Amino acid sequence: GAVVSQHPSRVICKSGTSVKIECRSLDFQATTMFWYRQFPKQSLMLMATSNEGSKATYEQGVEKDKFLINHASLTLSTLTVTSAHPEDSSFYICSARLQGYQVGEQYFGPGTRLTVT
Amino acid sequence: AQKVTQAQTEISVVEKEDVTLDCVYETRDTTYYLFWYKQPPSGELVFLIRRNSFDEQNEISGRYSWNFQKSTSSFNFTITASQVVDSAVYFCALSETNQAGTALIFGKGTTLSVSS
Repeated sequence: GAVVSQHPSRVICKSGTSVKIECRSLDFQATTMFWYRQFPKQSLMLMATSNEGSKATYEQGVEKDKFLINHASLTLSTLTVTSAHPEDSSFYICSARLQGYQVGEQYFGPGTRLTVT
Repeated sequence: AQKVTQAQTEISVVEKEDVTLDCVYETRDTTYYLFWYKQPPSGELVFLIRRNSFDEQNEISGRYSWNFQKSTSSFNFTITASQVVDSAVYFCALSETNQAGTALIFGKGTTLSVSS
């Protein structure tokens, strides 16, 4: 089946630095990718919808200047957490959908655990 | 507005017990899609089932079964003869369209602990 990868799986960074997380669809093309954030023992909250070749659509309350999303190709979307702070520590999960398939064919990456010290 | 409610935060059972995880949803659309995902401690989401609003048939897959009732806006999930490996967080999710640009809206999840 379709596979979505994320890199890195874990990252620890110092407060004030920026971190880039990559989301790749390995064997299919994805015009749309989604970024979710999950705090400990909480649900997945949609942060933004990443569209290939155009600007991302951010959910209410998500700072677009802090969480930069770039979807430069049909197989890669990146999320950059700029000037990270401890409150940004979370589990970030991306997902991608195959073109032309029903909504159920949404594949999730394994997640990236970000810890900001 | 769309919303998914999983009222049970945590459930603890002993192996071989049956357990039902509740999911209640809200949507204004007549066409929508419901999902269940399993999230083990590793964090990776595992897809369990998708159901569209026009298919109210219950489904059984091994020890798993799902009861979809539009009249009560519920999509409950039952694990029969639970096993320790079933311990995980289970999420119910909703999507109002089948368009590529539509994300899933998740409930808060139910943590299932199965002890031996």
